[in-house]
Amino acid sequence: EVQLVESGGNLVQPGGSLRLSCAASGFSLSSYWMTWVRQAPGKGLEWVANIKQDGSEKYYVDSVRGRFTISRDNAKNSLSLQMNSLRTEDTAVYFCARRSYGSYGYWGQGTLVTVSS
Amino acid sequence: QSALTQPPSASGSPGQSVTISCTGTSSDVGRYNYVSWYQQHPGKAPKLMIYEVTERPSGVPDRFSGSKSGNTASLTVSGLQAEDEADYYCCSYAGSNIYVFGTGTRVTVL
Repeated sequence: EVQLVESGGNLVQPGGSLRLSCAASGFSLSSYWMTWVRQAPGKGLEWVANIKQDGSEKYYVDSVRGRFTISRDNAKNSLSLQMNSLRTEDTAVYFCARRSYGSYGYWGQGTLVTVSS
Repeated sequence: QSALTQPPSASGSPGQSVTISCTGTSSDVGRYNYVSWYQQHPGKAPKLMIYEVTERPSGVPDRFSGSKSGNTASLTVSGLQAEDEADYYCCSYAGSNIYVFGTGTRVTVL
């Protein structure tokens, strides 16, 4: 059974940093592009970043480029999102998702990041 | 990277059909057949309902169907059931390995 489990969400002050993790099981992580999607409270889904199977290509939405870094460790079946210079508008539930055929068939349950003083 | 445009709400009685539109541009929806649709119940993760414009994943009822014309994609839910009440989001490939989601539509079963 495919499972994605996010962790690392927390309350952090503006300007601070946080690292999210996504533990993958039930499939070979090295075979798939992986993605982070976020959802601000009461708002819609926003595509954040994705990373190629071998980590050689990474892409970001404009609002996080230069502040967030997506990475992966296929040997540990893990995906990460390093978030620096956090802003209040980064407050959201962050989901990791597996990409296949240009869509996201598997999602984690999400982890809440709150940026507030 | 502007969000795709969806109507904020849609509704129908049980057994009726509802169609949700998703309007993008010639750089995303109009250019690529990587349009997908997601259902999200409150407090839950999104669930893939349609991929590659018209394809249904295993386990998704055939009451759900997708289509596309020009820069607008659509999701139709036929034979509405109470459990279809949820938020629905479209998503499109926008080139250069970037994706964009729609603004979301809340479907209410009257």
